[in-house]
Amino acid sequence: AQTVTQSQPEMSVQEAETVTLSCTYDTSESDYYLFWYKQPPSRQMILVIRQEAYKQQNATENRFSVNFQKAAKSFSLKISDSQLGDAAMYFCAYRSADNNDMRFGAGTRLTVKP
Amino acid sequence: DSGVTQTPKHLITATGQRVTLRCSPRSGDLSVYWYQQSLDQGLQFLIQYYNGEERAKGNILERFSAQQFPDLHSELNLSSLELGDSALYFCASSVTTSGRAIDTQYFGPGTRLTVL
Repeated sequence: AQTVTQSQPEMSVQEAETVTLSCTYDTSESDYYLFWYKQPPSRQMILVIRQEAYKQQNATENRFSVNFQKAAKSFSLKISDSQLGDAAMYFCAYRSADNNDMRFGAGTRLTVKP
Repeated sequence: DSGVTQTPKHLITATGQRVTLRCSPRSGDLSVYWYQQSLDQGLQFLIQYYNGEERAKGNILERFSAQQFPDLHSELNLSSLELGDSALYFCASSVTTSGRAIDTQYFGPGTRLTVL
């Protein structure tokens, strides 16, 4: 079964600085999708960024980018120019291309210091 | 706002009772997913429905059931409730395309269930 590991339960970053959140996953499949979701105090799950495993180019969305290393099964999230509104729980998620069972990591709580 | 709606926002009930959570997907989305987020188990996939049919099943207890109606809204029924069922229940929806197109799930605001 696929598992997703987020090894950093908590991270903090100074406002305007850059922070990287780690995620590794275990799978024997070659075709899958990876996601980062943000959960602010409101508890709403908000999609941050997504990556298709067959694409070599790393996804970017404004201040958010990923470092996708398929061979290493690593999918880290980089947040540039951190803002106070970025403070939240961040979840890494894996979904096989063959089914819609999405597996989530345990989450990383990000604190942004003014 | 993701476009996915869930009602009610909060639900407080007693052990042994039965409750129904409701979800309306984004316009055009055919798939509905249910997730449970509890403190000790994290986010867990429960079940998926696609255009009225069950498509995938995760860690869903036998006391729980779901269905998707012709108008594509979905209901999650939780019965014989236990203290451990207290959690945040999310509904998500997606288009569910074929081929290699990425099928992103968009989450509703969740229903917080408290079992006393």
